[in-house]
Amino acid sequence: SYELTQPPSVSVSLGQMARITCSGEALPKKYAYWYQQKAGQFPIQVIYKDSERPSGIPERFSGSSTGTIVTLTISGVQAEDEADYYCLSADSTGSYWVFGGGTKLTVL
Amino acid sequence: QMQLLQSGPEVKKPGTSVKVSCKTSGFTFASSSIQWVRQARGQRLEWIGWIVVDSGDTNYAQKFQERVTITRDMSTSTAYMELSSLRSEDTAVYYCAADQGHTKFDPWGQGTLVTVSS
Repeated sequence: SYELTQPPSVSVSLGQMARITCSGEALPKKYAYWYQQKAGQFPIQVIYKDSERPSGIPERFSGSSTGTIVTLTISGVQAEDEADYYCLSADSTGSYWVFGGGTKLTVL
Repeated sequence: QMQLLQSGPEVKKPGTSVKVSCKTSGFTFASSSIQWVRQARGQRLEWIGWIVVDSGDTNYAQKFQERVTITRDMSTSTAYMELSSLRSEDTAVYYCAADQGHTKFDPWGQGTLVTVSS
């Protein structure tokens, strides 16, 4: 079955840049979506279609794609950005969706 | 404002079924798809399946293929997810999310805790 691979954790100092990667074989052909989930809350979309930012999401959140890897970048990390981040994409058929394992972002 | 409002928490016995509802508002239900996702405590998000509201076509993750049914009621703009033959491992928060317009899985419902316990 199709898998998306994320690092389990990323740590970054306040105000620095955080990068969270997600790798998957179908990513060159399928869009990726990124979600932020804080403890006890439902997920919130922070990036759609690889690099588009929904309205209301701060400009410090950006997304990029290169081959089989997509990256969520948070520039100038704030304390409130500490959360779990999940990537989401479809398999090559487009019929089945898969989440990455999630990355816990810790702000030091 | 787009909104998905889910039904309340459920406690079920092993072997029984649960049906979770997801009432939508603020967007054109008929033009959307509704996704279902679950998350066990401390675990990753797990995709269950989806329904194309207009056609009623569904697609389920292989893991749930034999036990899940996703339906919709156009008259009330509500989607449903029914999971049968429940076991303790099905204890999780179940979410619905909408595909509409230019994006997928946005917004999300608030989640429904389903507890399976004897």
